[in-house]
Amino acid sequence: GQNIDQPTEMTATEGAIVQINCTYQTSGFNGLFWYQQHAGEAPTFLSYNVLDGLEEKGRFSSFLSRSKGYSYLLLKELQMKDSASYLCAVFVNDYKLSFGAGTTVTVRA
Amino acid sequence: SQTIHQWPATLVQPVGSPLSLECTVEGTSNPNLYWYRQAAGRGLQLLFYSIGIDQISSEVPQNLSASRPQDRQFILSSKKLLLSDSGFYLCAWSVKLPSREQYFGPGTRLTVT
Repeated sequence: GQNIDQPTEMTATEGAIVQINCTYQTSGFNGLFWYQQHAGEAPTFLSYNVLDGLEEKGRFSSFLSRSKGYSYLLLKELQMKDSASYLCAVFVNDYKLSFGAGTTVTVRA
Repeated sequence: SQTIHQWPATLVQPVGSPLSLECTVEGTSNPNLYWYRQAAGRGLQLLFYSIGIDQISSEVPQNLSASRPQDRQFILSSKKLLLSDSGFYLCAWSVKLPSREQYFGPGTRLTVT
């Protein structure tokens, strides 16, 4: 089976930094995705890591350690529009994305 | 550019009634297609995926079925809905490997009463 864990909720202040951790134990690994999902909407792609290290894309960065089964998503300079659910997903084979339950981030003024 | 459509956007159906949700993709050919369900407070669960017409794999045995009558059309069906079928149904597509990114449609909110 697949086990992907991330915190349920996080709260941070506008302008601050928040780090969302994701740990995984899966039957296979072909990369790790982070998606953003606003309430009632479809997930949208944020980042993809297949090799160890940090990938930076504007205010968002994602880190992967395959040996530790660990990833994090770093959100900098938080804005109110960043309030959303953030989904960690592992590609376990050529077709299957296995998702965590998501982390709801609330940004306060 | 590629776009993905789903309909209906919302649906309220009684227990025991049939279901048909449709997904179409534009601007690409021979995509991989996927159906996911998201229950309240839970992660996305992969229900079906398809790598081509009439090539459909089921991830979770249940009272749902999927069909792909055309290259860019994916349909999710049920003959008799259960209360537990309520949720947010998302269709997604991806190009063939090596790319693995999946692009999601706007979703259908299904409430079974």
